[in-house]
Order: sequence, then structure tokens, then C-alpha cells
Amino acid sequence: QKEVEQDPGPLSVPEGAIVSLNCTYSNSAFQYFMWYRQYSRKGPELLMYTYSSGNKEDGRFTAQVDKSSKYISLFIRDSQPSDSATYLCAMRENNNDMRFGAGTRLTVKP
Amino acid sequence: EPEVTQTPSHQVTQMGQEVILRCVPISNHLYFYWYRQILGQKVEFLVSFYNNEISEKSEIFDDQFSVERPDGSNFTLKIRSTKLEDSAMYFCASSEEAYGYTFGSGTRLTVV
Repeated sequence: QKEVEQDPGPLSVPEGAIVSLNCTYSNSAFQYFMWYRQYSRKGPELLMYTYSSGNKEDGRFTAQVDKSSKYISLFIRDSQPSDSATYLCAMRENNNDMRFGAGTRLTVKP
Repeated sequence: EPEVTQTPSHQVTQMGQEVILRCVPISNHLYFYWYRQILGQKVEFLVSFYNNEISEKSEIFDDQFSVERPDGSNFTLKIRSTKLEDSAMYFCASSEEAYGYTFGSGTRLTVV
């Protein structure tokens, strides 16, 4: 079993839709959970981070972490064409390296 | 907004040659990292660097790889004898704390 599982998509939605992106993981020691957005040929850009379980909201983005289920989610409300990118989940233990999911390619159609 | 700068943006090298990829992390950051992303595949951890030494490295980071912080601002990744399978995007990242890495735009390495 891979340490971090993420459906690579592609995922295509109409403008204005709610997007749900998810990752599962196997390492119960992960404590920090991040979502990155990566445009083509660019480095990953941090969108959200959460420590341990819970929800965090930032504008149109909401991150959820359920450590009991080893499941994290990113919701995008009122999706825009500019949200079209690859979204990567990432997680780490306290001071260890970060493990990335494979990334989900999202296209928001006008 | 502070950013991580990587040079060159694209490097083409012949198999067996040495390459040095350069990075200028954000000035007040203490942790530095190299990641790579083979085309169409996931971002993979190579190495982390803190307090002037390697703090962790992956199985990918073998004896062909080395890192250096030669002058307090630059952070370099050297590949001693490149192989075709080293072709990838190499991302440098830095962070102030355990989360929230800032990534550079990457160097595309093509080994021919």
C-alpha cells in the first residue's frame, strides 16, 4: 500500500461547481497536512495547511482532516477557470520529510 | 512576496556529466529541501538540510547526489554522473518551520 493515495483524475467540472479532492494515507504518525496547487511547469504553491484533525477555511477553500479515518479533503466552492491546476496533498510527521500524493488534475470549464 | 529562486530553468546535459542545480532560498528560512518530479509522476523527496547538514535523505539520494550551502545564501544540488533516468524537474524548497514549504519554479533537467 502506498503511503499517500490520491486519485490522479483528471477531474472536470463546470464553473461554479463545488470541487471535492481527497487523499488517504497509511502512516498514523502524520501530523501536518497540506494542500498544494501546481500549475503546469511551476513549483507547488501552498494553499492550506492543517495540524492534526479538524477543519480550516480560507476564502473559497476548506481543508478537512479526519485522522481516525486517515482521510483528508480539500473543498473548493464556486470554482473558477483559474482554479484549473494539479492539486497535491502532502503530509509529514513532526520533523521528517513531506510525502506527496500523486496529484489530481482539475479543469474548471467556463 | 519572498520567493525561492532556482537557476537555470532548463539544463541539458550529456549522460555521465556532472550538473549543479542552484537555489536561493528565502533569507530567514532555516530548512532547505530538494524534490524531484519525473514527467507525469508524483513529487518525490530527495533530501532535507538544516543547520548546515543533511537531516534526512531518501533512497533516491544515493552517492551520485550531494548538497551544499556554500555561502549562506545559495543551496546547491550536485549530480556527479548523470543518468538518463535523472531527467526530471528538480524543485528546491525552504521553510521556516515544519510546514508551509515555499517551492521554487524548478529546474528542468534533461539528460541526453
